[in-house]
Amino acid sequence: AQSVTQLDSQVPVFEEAPVELRCNYSSSVSVYLFWYVQYPNQGLQLLLKYLSGSTLVKGINGFEAEFNKSQTSFHLRKPSVHISDTAEYFCAVSGGYQKVTFGTGTKLQVIP
Amino acid sequence: DVKVTQSSRYLVKRTGEKVFLECVQDMDHENMFWYRQDPGLGLRLIYFSYDVKMKEKGDIPEGYSVSREKKERFSLILESASTNQTSMYLCASSSSGLAGFREQYFGPGTRLTVT
Repeated sequence: AQSVTQLDSQVPVFEEAPVELRCNYSSSVSVYLFWYVQYPNQGLQLLLKYLSGSTLVKGINGFEAEFNKSQTSFHLRKPSVHISDTAEYFCAVSGGYQKVTFGTGTKLQVIP
Repeated sequence: DVKVTQSSRYLVKRTGEKVFLECVQDMDHENMFWYRQDPGLGLRLIYFSYDVKMKEKGDIPEGYSVSREKKERFSLILESASTNQTSMYLCASSSSGLAGFREQYFGPGTRLTVT
């Protein structure tokens, strides 16, 4: 079985400050990891994904994430956030043949 | 650009009604998915389909059925709607291969209210 934990349901941060959204996973097999973003009243869109190779993955809109196998984590970071980054962020995991399992989401609130 | 469209953005139905939610994708994707999204619970998979007329149960299939008669269209059916099915429903599609390997493309969602 696979699972994803996003411990922070809401993260407030001031504009231009750095942010880290935490994601931990569990799986009995090698995993693929994803971060999706959902802007208000929209569906989800892919921010970035880790399939193999370099553990530091860069995505769209200046976001990046680091795969840490020993800590079973895939935290999302951005060095300087903008108001337009206000959204809900979902971490997701898949063991390849298995369906994708999504976390419960973290709402990022960027404060002007 | 991949496009996934859902038939309605908002829907209000009465308890006991039969409800159809339609999803269409225009990228010739093999895989299609139906999720429900509830606050604090994230996305939960209801059903998915990896080919025409093929379907697999997800994590919460009870009270739902699906139909995939054409490759581009995947329908979610609530046989007898109940108030606990009030939720946001999201459709997604992905290209062939390992179900979890490929990026999923999402529609805008249908917010269903059952009264």
